[in-house]
Order: sequence, then structure tokens, then C-alpha cells
Amino acid sequence: KNQVEQSPQSLIILEGKNCTLQCNYTVSPFSNLRWYKQDTGRGPVSLTIMTFSENTKSNGRYTATLDADTKQSSLHITASQLSDSASYICVVRWYGMLTFGGGTRLMVKP
Amino acid sequence: SAVISQKPSRDICQRGTSLTIQCQVDSQVTMMFWYRQQPGQSLTLIATANQGSEATYESGFVIDKFPISRPNLTFSTLTVSNMSPEDSSIYLCSVDGVLGAPGADTQYFGPGTRLTVL
Repeated sequence: KNQVEQSPQSLIILEGKNCTLQCNYTVSPFSNLRWYKQDTGRGPVSLTIMTFSENTKSNGRYTATLDADTKQSSLHITASQLSDSASYICVVRWYGMLTFGGGTRLMVKP
Repeated sequence: SAVISQKPSRDICQRGTSLTIQCQVDSQVTMMFWYRQQPGQSLTLIATANQGSEATYESGFVIDKFPISRPNLTFSTLTVSNMSPEDSSIYLCSVDGVLGAPGADTQYFGPGTRLTVL
């Protein structure tokens, strides 16, 4: 069964600090891997998308990495802000099928 | 990109009633989907809304409970029928394949409809 597992489930950091969220997947092969940010009560918004041949993709303070050999991806957030408080979801796509991770709930405290 | 709006944004409903959620996209899209997100959980695909034909439902979801319409390339509705408290959830519309933007993975999500069933 295709799975996407994220860790940690939740994380609390202080404003200005960096953090890294992990995503391990078993979906293989896959078309692309995407990280979404979901604010409470809102729909997910795409942060980064990487194909299986890409190793890293940045979007401002967000940097995603992908290791297709170990089937791992990470999302690194630099100089966190209060507005980064949200759930971050890793999604692996194979053609039209999406497999969602359970998400990491990040809280940034002042 | 595609901008998706959903109506209503939230609602509180009584057990046994039905609610229809609307999804409007500002661009023509090939694919439209409906997801459910229960509190603290990730997204679960309910069905793919097919234009001009019956929706394709995932395991565990049936048309009688979640009838779906898709009359054109920019609009879809999801009805949650005969609601019970277990249906309390966020319902999200998602689209893929924005026409005029070929070759891109263009899956976008709407803002969601927060449903509470008493």
C-alpha cells in the first residue's frame, strides 16, 4: 500500500528559529512530490513541487529537498515567523492519484 | 493558476438535513475533485466530479450520501445528504488541469467549507 508518513506530528519553535519537517514515502514510481501549507480553517496552498529528478526547490524561506533513493523529502523553514504557524502536508503524486501525508502541525511562538 | 471559491464557507446543520456545497473556478479545468478533512486528519478523496456524467467515488463513499454535479468545466456541487454528527468535517474542492496551461501539475485547493452537524 502506498504510504506517506510525516514527522514530527507537531512541533513548537520560537520565532526566528529554523526547523525541518520530514516526509517518508513508499509511493514508487511517482510523478512529483509537493509540500502544502494549510492554515487553520483554510484549504492547502502549494509551497513547492519537485519531480523525481529534482533534489531541491526553494520558495522564499521554504526549501524542500528530495532524495529519491531513500524516498525521503524534507521541508526546511528558515527564520520562522508567527505566520508560519500552520499544518504542512507532504503529497506524492503518481499520474492522477495523490497520496497525502498526515501533516505536521507547526506552531511558532513569539 | 486557478482561483477557487466555495459556498458556503461554513455552516451548522441539524441532523437529518442535507447541505449542498458549491465550487466555482475562475478558469476552465479538466478535473474537479471533492475531499473531506476530518478534525486533525489529512485529506481523504471523496470523488472525482466528471463533467456530464456520474462522479467516480472512492471506496467508502456512495452517490446516495454524497451526490455530485458538474454541469460545466468551471462549476461543481457536492451534497452531503441525511447528515449526522459524523459528517462534521471540512469539505474541500480541488481542481487539476487548467486549460491553457499544459504540462504543469496544476492541482489547486479551494478554501474549504467547514460543516458542523448537531
